[in-house]
Amino acid sequence: EVQLVETGGGLIQPGGSLRLSCAASGFTVSSEYMTWVRQAPGKGLEWVSIIYSDGRTYFADSVKGRFTISRDNSKNTLYLQMNSLRAEDTAVYYCVGAPNAYFFDYWGQGTLVTVSS
Amino acid sequence: DIQMTQSPSSVSASVGDRVTITCRASQDISNRLAWYQQRPGKAPKLLIYSISSLLSGVPSRFSGSGSGTDFTLTISGLQPEDFATYYCQQANSFPRTFGQGTKLEIK
Repeated sequence: EVQLVETGGGLIQPGGSLRLSCAASGFTVSSEYMTWVRQAPGKGLEWVSIIYSDGRTYFADSVKGRFTISRDNSKNTLYLQMNSLRAEDTAVYYCVGAPNAYFFDYWGQGTLVTVSS
Repeated sequence: DIQMTQSPSSVSASVGDRVTITCRASQDISNRLAWYQQRPGKAPKLLIYSISSLLSGVPSRFSGSGSGTDFTLTISGLQPEDFATYYCQQANSFPRTFGQGTKLEIK
């Protein structure tokens, strides 16, 4: 059974940094297309970033230059390093896996990031 | 960026009803269109990909259709567990974008 478990969320001040982790089981992170999607409180879904199985990465303009996506194959874990955080980054962050680069098959339960002073 | 516009934003229906949700893309997205269901407090769940392909395990009362820029999600014979928010998503180009969501409520 595929399972994704996100950790690392919490309350952080504007300008701060946070690293989210997503531990995967039931499939291999390095072989899949791994994505982060976020959802601000009471709002819709926003795509954040993707890492391809070949290592290519793409980002939403709203986070480009501030966020990085990476994975540790030995730990079968995906990461999202978030720097220079802003109030508008407040959201539940979902880790998502898929066998292709297009759609989002497997979702974690999400982790809440709150950026506030 | 490709804009995805869903209508209606909310709809009320009864168990057993047939409901149709539409999604319009700001440009041709070929067949790169998916639908997700999100229940309150839960992660979204992929229902349909490539316009009309049902993910394994998704009930056959869900169906998708359309082409180019106009797409529909139809739920035939609503069940209590179907009352949720539905999102369309395009995967034709980056950034991937979602519709604003359609909340399906019990009448």
